[in-house]
Amino acid sequence: NAGVTQTPKFRILKIGQSMTLQCTQDMNHNYMYWYRQDPGMGLKLIYYSVGAGITDKGEVPNGYNVSRSTTEDFPLRLELAAPSQTSVYFCASSDQSGGAGSYNEQFFGPGTRLTVL
Amino acid sequence: GENVEQHPSTLSVQEGDSAVIKCTYSDSASNYFPWYKQELGKRPQLIIDIRSNVGEKKDQRIAVTLNKTAKHFSLHITETQPEDSAVYFCAADPPGGSARQLTFGSGTQLTVLP
Repeated sequence: NAGVTQTPKFRILKIGQSMTLQCTQDMNHNYMYWYRQDPGMGLKLIYYSVGAGITDKGEVPNGYNVSRSTTEDFPLRLELAAPSQTSVYFCASSDQSGGAGSYNEQFFGPGTRLTVL
Repeated sequence: GENVEQHPSTLSVQEGDSAVIKCTYSDSASNYFPWYKQELGKRPQLIIDIRSNVGEKKDQRIAVTLNKTAKHFSLHITETQPEDSAVYFCAADPPGGSARQLTFGSGTQLTVLP
């Protein structure tokens, strides 16, 4: 298994440009997440999905959009990029099929380093 | 919502010494507390976790303790080695939702000096 993969690894955007960060997992996990990590800070949740067709906002969703048309893919869309969106973006997935009492590991992708100038 | 505070932000220890990182959380109903290790330029990886019905958990040189009354949990690394140098993040799973969202602390940069 490749696990969680993300593309691209690096990207430089100009203010106002748009882009899509790709995330794919091959572990058949039902839950997927997008985080951003600013320098010297922890991870903040942008959006998450509990299954295909279902998405919801996390702590910092403004300026982003997501979709989940398949179990495997969870792309993150940035519209009108701003310097405040300069960050490292991590996608993660987990298998939460065990029900309300289950807590399973989140597996992270390698990250995308985005700079907005 | 849940708030997780982590300290210290940086920690340097001599090789072979122990390291302790502490986190506090705000929501007394939180049930799950994982610790992630992130090496420079790499992805975070789970190293140990603890559920709210357990007070302590060990895995070789790593242990986590949980004090639900005081709402804090700690990571203990014994006999530290240079490869333990990394950023460590604590997290808490706030209750009430089904998404298993995690609230992360701000991280501790651990440096093990040879």
